[in-house]
Amino acid sequence: RKEVEQDPGPFNVPEGATVAFNCTYSNSASQSFFWYRQDCRKEPKLLMSVYSSGNEDGRFTAQLNRASQYISLLIRDSKLSDSATYLCVVNKNQGGKLIFGQGTELSVKP
Amino acid sequence: NAGVTQTPKFQVLKTGQSMTLQCAQDMNHNSMYWYRQDPGMGLRLIYYSASEGTTDKGEVPNGYNVSRLNKREFSLRLESAAPSQTSVYFCASSPTSGGPMAGELFFGEGSRLTVL
Repeated sequence: RKEVEQDPGPFNVPEGATVAFNCTYSNSASQSFFWYRQDCRKEPKLLMSVYSSGNEDGRFTAQLNRASQYISLLIRDSKLSDSATYLCVVNKNQGGKLIFGQGTELSVKP
Repeated sequence: NAGVTQTPKFQVLKTGQSMTLQCAQDMNHNSMYWYRQDPGMGLRLIYYSASEGTTDKGEVPNGYNVSRLNKREFSLRLESAAPSQTSVYFCASSPTSGGPMAGELFFGEGSRLTVL
């Protein structure tokens, strides 16, 4: 079993739609979680941090469920510019090791 | 605003050749990382350095060596390149020294390596 797993997609949604991605992790000792965004052939960039039960930033909401060991990312009112790959990242609590999921591809269509 | 700078951006090697990927950050960050990214595999941690003078193995360290030359620089060396090492390599840095809450990474633009 991979340490961090995501549905690779692609998720194809129309503009204005609400879309949600899930990410599961296997290490119950993990304490911090992150969502990164990666545009095609570019470097990943931090989108949101999730330290407790959740975090909200505008149209983006991240939630954490420790009991079930998953985090989610909800995007409301999708924009064309949201098209990207979204990477789930988990801190393994082993001296700073950060493990990435394989990413979920989102394509927002007009 | 240089941030994290990687060189070279593109490289083609023959099997068995060696090379070093250079990475430098100008943000005074403590931690530095090397990842590789392959289609369908996501980013996989090769090595990381929580602070100057320390290095630790990640998920896929075989075939690689690293040097944390100083606080700014963290290099990745392929001693004898193999086709399986064809990938996009990303260097990253973080302001924290590891620990359970660390997770904000700043990435370089990537180095695209092809091994024939």
